[in-house]
This record gives sequence, structure tokens and C-alpha cells, in this order.
Amino acid sequence: RKEVEQDPGPFNVPEGATVAFNCTYSNSASQSFFWYRQDCRKEPKLLMSVYSSGNEDGRFTAQLNRASQYISLLIRDSKLSDSATYLCVVILGSWAAGNKLTFGGGTRVLVKP
Amino acid sequence: EAGVTQFPSHSVIEKGQTVTLRCDPISGHDNLYWYRRVMGKEIKFLLHFVKESKQDESGMPNNRFLAERTGGTYSTLKVQPAELEDSGVYFCASSPGWGQGTDTQYFGPGTRLTVL
Repeated sequence: RKEVEQDPGPFNVPEGATVAFNCTYSNSASQSFFWYRQDCRKEPKLLMSVYSSGNEDGRFTAQLNRASQYISLLIRDSKLSDSATYLCVVILGSWAAGNKLTFGGGTRVLVKP
Repeated sequence: EAGVTQFPSHSVIEKGQTVTLRCDPISGHDNLYWYRRVMGKEIKFLLHFVKESKQDESGMPNNRFLAERTGGTYSTLKVQPAELEDSGVYFCASSPGWGQGTDTQYFGPGTRLTVL
């Protein structure tokens, strides 16, 4: 089983629609969770951190479910520019384990007119 | 403020040759990380420097890979001799020191390495 798992997609989304997808992680002691966005042949860029209480940044909402060990990302009112691969990233284990990021394989989102 | 920079952007070498990748982190960032993405796989951690010290090198695939960060500024990753399976995109990332938003890692554009 992979340490961080994502549905690879693609999720084909009509412009203006809402899309949501999840990511599961293996280590229940994990403390830090992120969504990164990666455009084709570019570097990953931090989209948002994910906090226990859930958090929102404009059209993007992230949730953490510790009991079931998954995080989610919801994109409302999708724009064409939201087309990208969304990477679920976890710092597995406790704070003492260090800061290395563990990546999921990415979920590809294609927003179409 | 300049972001993380990497050089070269692309490198094509033959099996058995040596290649050295360079990363310049964001100025003042103590933490420097190397990651790699091989074709069809997820991005994987290679190693982590805190200033000039190797904090964690558990992801280094074998002893053909040597990373250095002399003086705690830029870092180099040398592959010698290169093998076909070393092809991929090598990303460098940096983050501030402890207590200054340590979790947020900023990535460079990557070096695309092709070993023929």
C-alpha cells in the first residue's frame, strides 16, 4: 500500500462546476498536510496547508479527517486556469520524524468550457 | 525576492558519465531538500540539509549519488556514474529555519535529467 494515495483522474469538470477529490495517508501520527498544484512540466507550488478544523482559501476548501486518515480538496466555480495536477502531500509521522514531504501521485483536473 | 533556482534546466548524458546538479535555495533558508520524480511515479524525497549538515539522507538510492552543501548556501547533487534508471526530474526545495514557517517548502523549477 502506498503511503499517500490519490485517484489519478482525470476529473473532467465543466467550467463553473464544483469538483472534489480525496487523498488517503497511511501514518496515523502524521501532523502536517498540504495540497500542492503542479502544472505540466513545472514545479509543485503550495496551494494550501490543511488544518484540523478545515480551511478555505477563496474557491478552495480543504478538509482533514483524522479518524479515516484522509484529506480532501474542493474547488468551487471551477475556472479554466484550475486545470492542473493536484498533489496531496503529507509529512508522515510525528514532528520528531523530520520534515520530508511524502507525495501522492497526483489527481489530474481538466476544466473545460 | 528570488525563488529557488536550479541549474541546469536540462541535462542529457550517456550511461556511465557524471552529472552535477546545482540548487540555490531562497536566501536565508536553512533547510534544503532534494526530491526526484521518475517517469510515471510520484515525487520522492532524496535528502535534507539543515545548513551544511545532512539531516536525513534516507531517500538516496545508492552510493552513486553524492550531495553536498558546503557553507550552508547552495547545494550540489552529483551522480557518478549515471545509470538509465537515474533519468527523471530532480527538484530542490528550501524552507526557513525552525519556528519560521518551517513546514512550507518552496520548490525550484527542477532539472530534467535524461540518461541514454
